[in-house]
Amino acid sequence: QVQLVESGGGVVQPGGSLRLSCAASGFTFSSYGMHWVRQAPGKGLEWVAFIRYDGSNKYYADSVKGRFTISRDNSKNTLYLQMNSLRAEDTAVYYCAKDRVDRGYDSYFDYWGQGTLVTVSS
Amino acid sequence: DIQMTQSPSSLSASVGDRVTITCRASQGISNSLAWYQQKPGKAPKLLLYAASRLESGVPSRFSGSGSGTDYTLTISSLQPEDFATYYCQQYYSTPLLTFGGGTKVEIK
Repeated sequence: QVQLVESGGGVVQPGGSLRLSCAASGFTFSSYGMHWVRQAPGKGLEWVAFIRYDGSNKYYADSVKGRFTISRDNSKNTLYLQMNSLRAEDTAVYYCAKDRVDRGYDSYFDYWGQGTLVTVSS
Repeated sequence: DIQMTQSPSSLSASVGDRVTITCRASQGISNSLAWYQQKPGKAPKLLLYAASRLESGVPSRFSGSGSGTDYTLTISSLQPEDFATYYCQQYYSTPLLTFGGGTKVEIK
């Protein structure tokens, strides 16, 4: 069965860095676009970043552009999110999510991880 | 950017009620809309995509409709397990995606 398991969350000071990982299993990871979506405490969902199945293209929300970097290692079935220059407003649960359609042009998510909490606080 | 406005932000309903949630896009999105259900402390679950296509395993009491900028999610007969928060998501501008603000369905 499909599993997405995030790790790497924690408490970090403003201006600090953190790298999240998402270990995937149960599907052909190298065939699917992958996303990071976050949810601030008590708030709604916010799309953060996308990487194509082959890593050839990456896209970011304006709120994180220039500070966050999405990447993937298809040999390790793992998705990453490098987060630099963190701000208090980046505090959220971060989910990795899988595109429903392989190599597709429409992005909606059929599987999500359990989420990892990132807290930016001094 | 395409903005998604959901209404209402919350509602109270009883088991057996018919519930309708609306999502309005700031521009036409050609049925490129998904709906998710999220329970507290859990990841969202895909219910429908392409505005009206039911994801495998989702009960048929969930349905979706709409066109252009206006879309609805309907639960025909609310069940105890349906009390949750519901989100719409447009993917017309893939990969730049946006979610609605959410609708919390509570027990009356």
